[in-house]
Amino acid sequence: GEDVEQSLFLSVREGDSSVINCTYTDSSSTYLYWYKQEPGAGLQLLTYIFSNMDMKQDQRLTVLLNKKDKHLSLRIADTQTGDSAIYFCAENPTGSSASKIIFGSGTRLSIRP
Amino acid sequence: NAGVTQTPKFRILKIGQSMTLQCAQDMNHNYMYWYRQDPGMGLKLIYYSVGAGITDKGEVPNGYNVSRSTTEDFPLRLELAAPSQTSVYFCASDSEVRGTEAFFGQGTRLTVV
Repeated sequence: GEDVEQSLFLSVREGDSSVINCTYTDSSSTYLYWYKQEPGAGLQLLTYIFSNMDMKQDQRLTVLLNKKDKHLSLRIADTQTGDSAIYFCAENPTGSSASKIIFGSGTRLSIRP
Repeated sequence: NAGVTQTPKFRILKIGQSMTLQCAQDMNHNYMYWYRQDPGMGLKLIYYSVGAGITDKGEVPNGYNVSRSTTEDFPLRLELAAPSQTSVYFCASDSEVRGTEAFFGQGTRLTVV
């Protein structure tokens, strides 16, 4: 069945780049998403990528998609303390309804001074 | 501020009690979703709605019910609360079917004792 895997923790020094990785199982996934969850808050959709793209950049965020390896990554440039959060990767196997979105367990990003 | 509003933020229920989690959005979104988030896990879809008067089951619907009498409101009903329903519940809405414009509420932390 479908599954989305992420490492649980990542610690990065302030000012460095953070790279959060994710693997998914369904090769037919047409949309892949990254969400951010700050402590005590709901999820915030950060960005998404369509499967016919290899890369998407939005200010400090860069998403890379390797469809052959079913690997998705989120790079945060110049990581700041406000980037401390849990980051969820998700896939949409059908590419249609968001009711089919499958979430990973989240990567907790902590920033050290 | 426009967005998704959930009430209450916290609730403790005794086993067998019932309650309704409220969710309202003021963005005229057709698509609304209820998720639960268990510790260290990603979100699991409970129920969703593609418009007023239309609801459908998600991955984990047992023990819950929903209604969608208006576009704005999507309440989640728990009947006969059980300890397994201890979780954080998130409501989300979206203008797009593929989840690319999603907004999440702040969450309701429910404990069943």
